[in-house]
Amino acid sequence: ETGVTQSPTHLIKTRGQQVTLRCSSQSGHNTVSWYQQALGQGPQFIFQYYREEENGRGNFPPRFSGLQFPNYSSELNVNALELDDSALYLCASSPTGGNTGELFFGEGSRLTVL
Amino acid sequence: EDQVTQSPEALRLQEGESSSLNCSYTVSGLRGLFWYRQDPGKGPEFLFTLYSAGEEKEKERLKATLTKKESFLHITAPKPEDSATYLCALRAGANSKLTFGKGITLSVRP
Repeated sequence: ETGVTQSPTHLIKTRGQQVTLRCSSQSGHNTVSWYQQALGQGPQFIFQYYREEENGRGNFPPRFSGLQFPNYSSELNVNALELDDSALYLCASSPTGGNTGELFFGEGSRLTVL
Repeated sequence: EDQVTQSPEALRLQEGESSSLNCSYTVSGLRGLFWYRQDPGKGPEFLFTLYSAGEEKEKERLKATLTKKESFLHITAPKPEDSATYLCALRAGANSKLTFGKGITLSVRP
């Protein structure tokens, strides 16, 4: 069984640029959620996708957007990067619309904004 | 607003020295209290889910308990490989959104 995989693992961008992060969900999981984890903090919920539709969003501005594809993989896009966007971005997948709450996390994409 | 507070921020133990990590929370309509373990540079790894006050779950040297205001993660006779950050999170809504605490960094010295 393949777990959640994320790419790239590390990347460096400059303020104002745009970034796309990718996630492949665990086999059989149809729900993907994204979290932002700043250094020394717990993960913060960005949004969730279920069957290609966004069905929950945290307190993040519209420049954070996402997609889910028919194979349940997902992308997180961030436009107009700011210094505070530097963080570990975690993707998590879960089965059955996420109703169990148990999430399976990838190892994350470490974004540094200069 | 849902809130999760974990204490202490960091804990250093000698191998074999048992202790407890605390997670206090406020929420309207708890639909699950979760414990995760996170190693440096890795994503969180699921440990336990608790749904109602009085519930307990055990796994190896770890035992999680839940009251109406707090959850505790008890570590019995810890080993150096138990060193990690332990995250507490709650779920209140219909989707899988979790509200996390800041975590407790545990170091176990041999």
